[in-house]
Amino acid sequence: NAGVTQTPKFQVLKTGQSMTLQCAQDMNHNSMYWYRQDPGMGLRLIYYSASEGTTDKGEVPNGYNVSRLNKREFSLRLESAAPSQTSVYFCASGQLAGVQDTQYFGPGTRLTVL
Amino acid sequence: AQSVTQLGSHVSVSEGALVLLRCNYSSSVPPYLFWYVQYPNQGLQLLLKYTSAATLVKGINGFEAEFKKSETSFHLTKPSAHMSDAAEYFCAVSERGSYIPTFGRGTSLIVHP
Repeated sequence: NAGVTQTPKFQVLKTGQSMTLQCAQDMNHNSMYWYRQDPGMGLRLIYYSASEGTTDKGEVPNGYNVSRLNKREFSLRLESAAPSQTSVYFCASGQLAGVQDTQYFGPGTRLTVL
Repeated sequence: AQSVTQLGSHVSVSEGALVLLRCNYSSSVPPYLFWYVQYPNQGLQLLLKYTSAATLVKGINGFEAEFKKSETSFHLTKPSAHMSDAAEYFCAVSERGSYIPTFGRGTSLIVHP
């Protein structure tokens, strides 16, 4: 039981390049999330997927797209990276419709855009 | 709309001293409340959560938090700090039936020997 896994762990991009961050969970959770973490800003929600087949924008969706490939996998795509997207990205999963109400986080992807 | 305020971006204590990390929330209905911990270069992990079963919630590693509705607070405490407690701590609130928790900005706990 690996929990939530993310790839890659580190990435350096040049401005304008594209890339996809991968996330998978093996806990049979319905909900999945992408956050970015910046110093002094806490965690900000980029996109979330309440269930397979649905995705919704969070607080800071501009410059990102997501795909809920199946119940296990939720990817985040940067189509044209910008220096402002330098951040640590966390994927999480959870069952926020009941008393479980806990999120499980991956180890993060540290992205630098030059 | 729900929101979370964590007072103090940094808290510094001596090893063996009381740890108190403050969290206040705003929500239109009694929410679910959480404390997460993030160790360096890791993801967040759950310390404890309040789901209305009891106002005093005990978590892992000796931490506990008390839900005070009249003060809209959910402060995190630990009687005696250990060096291994040095980490970033996040308070989060989730309204019932919501898929979207709101996180505070985090408090960095520094533990001095």
